[in-house]
Amino acid sequence: EDKVVQSPLSLVVHEGDTVTLNCSYEVTNFRSLLWYKQEKKAPTFLFMLTSSGIEKKSGRLSSILDKKELFSILNITATQTGDSAVYLCAVVSGGGADGLTFGKGTHLIIQP
Amino acid sequence: DAGITQSPRHKVTETGTPVTLRCHQTENHRYMYWYRQDPGHGLRLIHYSYGVKDTDKGEVSDGYSVSRSKTEDFLLTLESATSSQTSVYFCAISEDRGSGYTFGSGTRLTVV
Repeated sequence: EDKVVQSPLSLVVHEGDTVTLNCSYEVTNFRSLLWYKQEKKAPTFLFMLTSSGIEKKSGRLSSILDKKELFSILNITATQTGDSAVYLCAVVSGGGADGLTFGKGTHLIIQP
Repeated sequence: DAGITQSPRHKVTETGTPVTLRCHQTENHRYMYWYRQDPGHGLRLIHYSYGVKDTDKGEVSDGYSVSRSKTEDFLLTLESATSSQTSVYFCAISEDRGSGYTFGSGTRLTVV
């Protein structure tokens, strides 16, 4: 059974801090790993990672994948209150049913 | 969300009644998915479709059926709703497996 584990489950920091969110996985025939940000509504796509060691970057957010150790991290620098959200990690694999296997998410709260 | 709409946005129904949720896309994507999101469980795949009339079960398919008679529409039916099916339901689309998935805004279903 495919498994995706995110840590921490919740995190409270102050504006301006840097945070690192973790995602580890055990899946059959890994294809890609995706990060989403979910505020009140639908998850919105952040990054898709398929190759180890290649950093994806978008503004203050960045992410990297380690396929040997089976994990990914999402970094957010100079956090702002608008970064408060649930961050979801999901993996596409060749095992089991199609679709994404999601972790339970990290609930990030940025305090002013 | 651009290209994908869900209806209704909210629904309250009684136990034992049938309910159909609709997902409509304008992106002509091949893959469509139904997920449910519950506290403590994250997003879980119910059913998915990889083409017109081609569907398969996901992780939590019991009590649900789907149909896809046109590329743009994917229907999720609860034949006889139960309180355990109270949840937020998200539809998602993707061009192919492993690529970024786009989510609809969700349907909040309450079964009383």
